[in-house]
Amino acid sequence: AQTVTQSQPEMSVQEAETVTLSCTYDTSENNYYLFWYKQPPSRQMILVIRQEAYKQQNATENRFSVNFQKAAKSFSLKISDSQLGDTAMYFCAFGSYETSGSRLTFGEGTQLTVNP
Amino acid sequence: EAQVTQNPRYLITVTGKKLTVTCSQNMNHEYMSWYRQDPGLGLRQIYYSMNVEVTDKGDVPEGYKVSRKEKRNFPLILESPSPNQTSLYFCASTSGVRGLGELFFGEGSRLTVL
Repeated sequence: AQTVTQSQPEMSVQEAETVTLSCTYDTSENNYYLFWYKQPPSRQMILVIRQEAYKQQNATENRFSVNFQKAAKSFSLKISDSQLGDTAMYFCAFGSYETSGSRLTFGEGTQLTVNP
Repeated sequence: EAQVTQNPRYLITVTGKKLTVTCSQNMNHEYMSWYRQDPGLGLRQIYYSMNVEVTDKGDVPEGYKVSRKEKRNFPLILESPSPNQTSLYFCASTSGVRGLGELFFGEGSRLTVL
């Protein structure tokens, strides 16, 4: 079974600065997807970024980018120019291509606070 | 508007009183799933469905039932709720290969079992 670990339960950053959230995972599979989801205080879950394991290039979405290290099984999220609206719980998730059915395994979450 | 709708949003009930949380999506997605969110544990999958009449257990299925009689609906049934099922529940739907597209979540249902 896959596991996803987010070792930082809480983090804070000043507005306009850069912050990196860490995520590691454990799997014996070669084909999979990785995700970062954001949950603001409204508790709505929102996709931030998605990475396919076979792609070497790191995914980016505006101010959000990932550092995907497949050999190290690491998938960190970098938020540049942090904004107050980035305050949220962030979840890393693993999806196996080899196990069908939209089966995602989520990490424990990192609560990010952006301070003015 | 594309959305996943779940009801009720908030519910307080007592041990043993059967309840159903409804979930409906309007995006014609094949895949639907239920998660529960607990502090320090993230989201854990309860059940998932790959299409009508095709459902399977996730990681924490004990005490729950589901059905998928129509593509748009995927209700979660607690036959005899217990206090350890107090949690925040999310329904989600998606499409794409192996159901690994973007997950669209409902707004969550906060359940308290006394």
